[in-house]
Amino acid sequence: SQQGEEDPQALSIQEGENATMNCSYKTSINNLQWYRQNSGRGLVHLILIRSNEREKHSGRLRVTLDTSKKSSSLLITASRAADTASYFCATDASSEYGNKLVFGAGTILRVKS
Amino acid sequence: SQTIHQWPATLVQPVGSPLSLECTVEGTSNPNLYWYRQAAGRGLQLLFYSVGIGQISSEVPQNLSASRPQDRQFILSSKKLLLSDSGFYLCAWSVQGETQYFGPGTRLLVL
Repeated sequence: SQQGEEDPQALSIQEGENATMNCSYKTSINNLQWYRQNSGRGLVHLILIRSNEREKHSGRLRVTLDTSKKSSSLLITASRAADTASYFCATDASSEYGNKLVFGAGTILRVKS
Repeated sequence: SQTIHQWPATLVQPVGSPLSLECTVEGTSNPNLYWYRQAAGRGLQLLFYSVGIGQISSEVPQNLSASRPQDRQFILSSKKLLLSDSGFYLCAWSVQGETQYFGPGTRLLVL
């Protein structure tokens, strides 16, 4: 079953605007990760935030984590047409034999130029 | 640097035929390896993961199996494909189990 659920399912914005995507999860986590997928391609890791962190930045990306609400958000500032992709959150469900990630269904972002 | 390869990129197979998808990783040793399936417009479903040669964990009951004959080789197989096996199959690796690095994927269409 999927633990992470992204919201919204789809988002369409103009170039230059900010895009915010949200992720909710159900169980305790070690970390939460965001990935990006261009159509028909593999996933690319964007950013990892640990359970003891509240906010993290990487370039135009800002991720927040609220463990009390079991939610995270990904903010892309000053969006570009090249940011058009699907974005997935993934929670770390550690197992005895190695960490496993549980992915949400994703948010499809379209940035119009 | 590390690279991950998957082949073939696209595959069209008839129902009931066998399947073998291969994934290899270069530039790292003893990685964790993963097989995922992604249905159209959906998230990823973990199928199998492996922490070492011959060590395979299955996540969901299904028509597929996985093997790891070498440290950096992960194979996804089926003896008889079903229509429901169609999808986008992604292989990934990680070291120390955090960030996962994905291959380019194989698109499988079962007719």
